[in-house]
Amino acid sequence: QLQLQESGPGLVKPSETLSLTCTVSGGSISSSSYYWGWIRQPPGKGLEWIGSIYYSGSTYYNPSLKSRVTISVDTSKNQFSLKLSSVTAADTAVYYCASARPVIAVAGTSTYYFDYWGQGTLVTVSS
Amino acid sequence: SYELTQPPSVSVSPGQTARITCSGDALPKQYAYWYQQKPGQAPVLVIYKDSERPSGIPERFSGSSSGTTVTLTISGVQAEDEADYYCQSADSSGTYPGFGGGTKLTVL
Repeated sequence: QLQLQESGPGLVKPSETLSLTCTVSGGSISSSSYYWGWIRQPPGKGLEWIGSIYYSGSTYYNPSLKSRVTISVDTSKNQFSLKLSSVTAADTAVYYCASARPVIAVAGTSTYYFDYWGQGTLVTVSS
Repeated sequence: SYELTQPPSVSVSPGQTARITCSGDALPKQYAYWYQQKPGQAPVLVIYKDSERPSGIPERFSGSSSGTTVTLTISGVQAEDEADYYCQSADSSGTYPGFGGGTKLTVL
């Protein structure tokens, strides 16, 4: 069973870059069986998909965040990372990393769902 | 990302059946997934591919799909089922996942 653990600063100043790392155990990040994703949840609000990456390096970003987001993978460390630039107070949230299982949809397209999640880490944007 | 619509809240008495709906225009083409989230915890997958149940999830959790609406049904609701429930799917191309706004299930 996969286990994921987020790590990174809990406090980031406005206009700076938020950086988080997710360490995967119990499986290889190079597996073709998974995508890897980041999801966030502002306090008291719902879930928002940030973006996902495949082991090959292919990335997919939420269009509303695309200009500020970079997700990368480090296969040597079995980790993947999130960078979100130019943060504001609106980026304050619990950030989750998750494994994403690919699925062939009814229409024949490829998509995924999130089967294993990290415990989440609160990142506060404040000066 | 893709947007889905859920009712903000549903209330049921213990032992009754709770039904939580989720609507989206791409749902006839994409599967839906359901997550349970209790306070201070990460979401847990309870239904995948519209109606499949992961191992370890009680049989009282089931899912169904009809057109642009999917439904999570919890039969014989227990106090421990009180939580927020989120549906997830993707746009018609499958490229962009999205979550519903969440439904708070209250067990009276």
